[in-house]
Amino acid sequence: KAGVTQTPRYLIKTRGQQVTLSCSPISGHRSVSWYQQTPGQGLQFLFEYFSETQRNKGNFPGRFSGRQFSNSRSEMNVSTLELGDSALYLCASSLPSGREETQYFGPGTRLLVL
Amino acid sequence: AQTVTQSQPEMSVQEAETVTLSCTYDTSESDYYLFWYKQPPSRQMILVIRQEAYKQQNATENRFSVNFQKAAKSFSLKISDSQLGDAAMYFCAYNRRADKLIFGTGTRLQVFP
Repeated sequence: KAGVTQTPRYLIKTRGQQVTLSCSPISGHRSVSWYQQTPGQGLQFLFEYFSETQRNKGNFPGRFSGRQFSNSRSEMNVSTLELGDSALYLCASSLPSGREETQYFGPGTRLLVL
Repeated sequence: AQTVTQSQPEMSVQEAETVTLSCTYDTSESDYYLFWYKQPPSRQMILVIRQEAYKQQNATENRFSVNFQKAAKSFSLKISDSQLGDAAMYFCAYNRRADKLIFGTGTRLQVFP
């Protein structure tokens, strides 16, 4: 079974631009979560989508948004990029079903904001 | 609020030896999950092992095992017969059902031949 895929793998943008990142979950998984990883703040939760609905949201400004499609693929959008948005963005998928809650991660998208 | 603490920023081990990484967490919940993830230089986050809090038996996956002490809120990872490929950042993580993962700050493991 194919793992979680994320595109693009690398991005360079300038301040003020916007960016869209994509995540395709493991086949059959219905939940997609997004995390931001930076050296200073570590791993922080952005949001989670389940069956096309945002189920959980982290403490990030409104410039960070996401959505999920009917095939469970998810996109994350960051508008008006700031230098501090440079990070590794990780997407994780999970079933969830019964007590199976394990999140499996994609390879990440490295975003550099200049 | 739930927190996860990894007090060892760096650890090192010789190939074929055993190493234990520490993790403590704080929660008032009784039903939750604990995980160890490995992040090699490729930055891909790879699941190492998973523990459900209601299960008293410690999880084991090949050379990886945990010591889960629920009362002490401790969840350590033991790597036996360490291999060069085990070198990575290791993150301890916690979540409740249908909730976000809360990560520790990570422990960098170096493996020497």
